[in-house]
Amino acid sequence: DIVMTQSPDSLAVSLGERATINCKSSQSVLYSSNSKNYLTWFQQKPGQPPKLLIYWASTRESGVPDRFSGSGSGTDFTLTISSLQAEDVAVYYCHQHYSVPFTFGPGTKVDIK
Amino acid sequence: EVQLLESGGGLVQPGGSLRVSCAASGFTFNNYAMSWGRQAPGKGLEWVSVINKSGGEIYYADSVKGRFTISREDSKNTLYLQMHSLRADDTAVYFCAKGRSTSSYSGIDFWGRGTLVTVSS
Repeated sequence: DIVMTQSPDSLAVSLGERATINCKSSQSVLYSSNSKNYLTWFQQKPGQPPKLLIYWASTRESGVPDRFSGSGSGTDFTLTISSLQAEDVAVYYCHQHYSVPFTFGPGTKVDIK
Repeated sequence: EVQLLESGGGLVQPGGSLRVSCAASGFTFNNYAMSWGRQAPGKGLEWVSVINKSGGEIYYADSVKGRFTISREDSKNTLYLQMHSLRADDTAVYFCAKGRSTSSYSGIDFWGRGTLVTVSS
């Protein structure tokens, strides 16, 4: 099974400042035949279902603010919130759908400092 | 507008069975893979199962393999999860999720609000 790890477990960032979340997979999730990383980022606010932010590691979902960006390839990935807003307080999960069983990272909680 | 409405959750005794359903609307259901995920109280997300467009490709998490069965009824735009031999650690909110395309490997692009399953005596 592919194990997903995230760092940090939690972080507190001032409004308008940058937040960076790291995700690492225990093996590559890059599919060589199409050059796509099978890595998705979700945001989950309390009492709500997860919401898709980024797919194929770096493609922003339609309607997601451009302050959210994803990067990385292979086994190391990053979600960046360039200028944290109050509504970004949430838990963020990375998810690999390259190999079954699909797996999620443990989540990173983002708060306002 | 995509909508996924889960139902069928509730309290069940250890060893019991339950079937949860997910009614889909706002998209062409039979063109997409569908998944179930779950989240135990206060915990992170856990992937449970996926079924592709045709139903010919199905996968399960090791924790539910042999106990849970995913299925779809395209004529009713409905996804199911039949759960047997339920254990206390199956207690969770069960989410239905829409795939990005026909393939089981296409990832998830939308989640329902979930239905709570509580396994307790």
